[in-house]
Amino acid sequence: ILNVEQSPQSLHVQEGDSTNFTCSFPSSNFYALHWYRWETAKSPEALFVMTLNGDEKKKGRISATLNTKEGYSYLYIKGSQPEDSATYLCAFPSNTGKLIFGQGTTLQVKP
Amino acid sequence: GAGVSQSPSNKVTEKGKDVELRCDPISGHTALYWYRQSLGQGLEFLIYFQGNSAPDKSGLPSDRFSAERTGGSVSTLTIQRTQQEDSAVYLCASSPPRTSGRAEQFFGPGTRLTVL
Repeated sequence: ILNVEQSPQSLHVQEGDSTNFTCSFPSSNFYALHWYRWETAKSPEALFVMTLNGDEKKKGRISATLNTKEGYSYLYIKGSQPEDSATYLCAFPSNTGKLIFGQGTTLQVKP
Repeated sequence: GAGVSQSPSNKVTEKGKDVELRCDPISGHTALYWYRQSLGQGLEFLIYFQGNSAPDKSGLPSDRFSAERTGGSVSTLTIQRTQQEDSAVYLCASSPPRTSGRAEQFFGPGTRLTVL
């Protein structure tokens, strides 16, 4: 059974703080690692799909790194803003292509 | 272009009634997923369709739940004899035919189901 773990479960930071959270996934049979952002009352939206060990992707103040050998990815948010408040999900595809989602890290940014 | 659409956006039903939820994926997307989010919970996988392969139904919570995908496009999730614990937001997602799970998922706006 594939297990995708995210930590911490929740995070409260002040506006302007930088923050990061972790996604752990099986290091064998790696295909890709996805990050999604899920705002309250909206649907999840893809942030990144990462496929190469050592890959680093960036979208504005959000970036992600990938270590496929040890099975983890970090998501960083620089200078958090209240609009960054959301649940951040990572997902790992099984051998059938089905995405296995972690439970998410819920970020609350206080103004 | 058009995204994933779902209907209805809201559904209120009485306990014991059957409901059908519809998902129209993005044209050309071969993979289609159903998830649900119960109050205060995370994303719960229900069922996965990939092309012409047999669907992965491992997430369906009971035999009251079933789903079809006709012609490789539109999907219907049916819940028979609804119970109050079925109340949730039901999300559909689709993804294009890229191998090995490298294709991002595109989510629909969801159907909010309330069982009274």
